[in-house]
Amino acid sequence: NAGVTQTPKFRVLKTGQSMTLLCAQDMNHEYMYWYRQDPGMGLRLIHYSVGEGTTAKGEVPDGYNVSRLKKQNFLLGLESAAPSQTSVYFCASSYSIAAHEPQHFGDGTRLSIL
Amino acid sequence: AQKVTQAQTEISVVEKEDVTLDCVYETRDTTYYLFWYKQPPSGELVFLIRRNSFDEQNEISGRYSWNFQKSTSSFNFTITASQVVDSAVYFCALSTGGDDKIIFGKGTRLHILP
Repeated sequence: NAGVTQTPKFRVLKTGQSMTLLCAQDMNHEYMYWYRQDPGMGLRLIHYSVGEGTTAKGEVPDGYNVSRLKKQNFLLGLESAAPSQTSVYFCASSYSIAAHEPQHFGDGTRLSIL
Repeated sequence: AQKVTQAQTEISVVEKEDVTLDCVYETRDTTYYLFWYKQPPSGELVFLIRRNSFDEQNEISGRYSWNFQKSTSSFNFTITASQVVDSAVYFCALSTGGDDKIIFGKGTRLHILP
């Protein structure tokens, strides 16, 4: 019963370093999302994917890239980390947003950029 | 444009009191879905309820109830006889007919004091 699994759970980076956050879901969901959560800002959508091989920009895409090479995985990359990217990152998936199914969330990745 | 407003940033009540969390939404679509999610101190986001725009019936689930009123564009959430375990951040969210995304409100942090 894994659901949505995010790796890693915590990470500290130095400014300018790069890293990739991995999201894996085992529910055969078509839609996957990356959000960031900052105090007082709620959840803001970074990028999302409506199926394998597709990606689209959300509300705050700058400084991030994503890839969905396999249906079950959605990767979020930071090419050159900046302190403004310090946040908690959540991945979510849903069977279909056209059907407006609820999103299932991972446990989050707490990322600090020094 | 779609928008979700949770005007209450933080609420504190004493255990066993009833508490209502407000959610006001904006959309021009006639078909839309509303959601509530709970984020306990452990950090994960848990889906609570989904409502579509054609169903204005109120819903009750144990101590939780939801009041959907299209006339005031509101989807309020009431916890009856609150318990300490209800302490969490609660998010209201909206998705509309042809969109691939869910718009989240900024959340209401609820403290239930023993």
